[in-house]
Amino acid sequence: DTAVSQTPKYLVTQMGNDKSIKCEQNLGHDTMYWYKQDSKKFLKIMFSYNNKELIINETVPNRFSPKSPDKAHLNLHINSLELGDSAVYFCASTRQGSGEQYFGPGTRLTVT
Amino acid sequence: SQKIEQNSEALNIQEGKTATLTCNYTNYSPAYLQWYRQDPGRGPVFLLLIRENEKEKRKERLKVTFDTTLKQSLFHITASQPADSATYLCAPKTRDDKIIFGKGTRLHILP
Repeated sequence: DTAVSQTPKYLVTQMGNDKSIKCEQNLGHDTMYWYKQDSKKFLKIMFSYNNKELIINETVPNRFSPKSPDKAHLNLHINSLELGDSAVYFCASTRQGSGEQYFGPGTRLTVT
Repeated sequence: SQKIEQNSEALNIQEGKTATLTCNYTNYSPAYLQWYRQDPGRGPVFLLLIRENEKEKRKERLKVTFDTTLKQSLFHITASQPADSATYLCAPKTRDDKIIFGKGTRLHILP
């Protein structure tokens, strides 16, 4: 059974479009994250949610909006996509206090 | 600003030898530090976590040390195998609960 799943795995879209990436975890974790890994492979945290509440919101354009309908899901909506948004986006989850993060397989977003 | 440096972008090690990867951090004191493995096209996979009051942690062929005075962690893989080839990421946790990832070291184990 997949612990952390993301859909879609690949997303190719044009500049200016709005798109969403979905993430689900079946581990019973209470904290979920979104990370961006750019072409230089640098993995940067974007958002963190704990029990559906936003905990960390790094310096990310407000075109990016996370939404957590419940503890098991954390979706990422991106408005007005730009070329610089092209990257691999990873969702991760952890049990609060544990530290160990479980990552999804990633969504490769290509903006043309 | 908080900074993490992993010793080199790529490291080539002969099969059977010990691979040692270095992680240095500046301008903060992490409560703990983690190491992850990432294979091409996949998400990072957790390997080990070491807390600030621990000097060393082991798991099978893996060993991590944490020197809070030097602000450094070393990650060792003993009896290395080609299957250990991957990118290894160091990830210290800040006091305000963020985990900051290093850029990683690409390890190649040569048969």
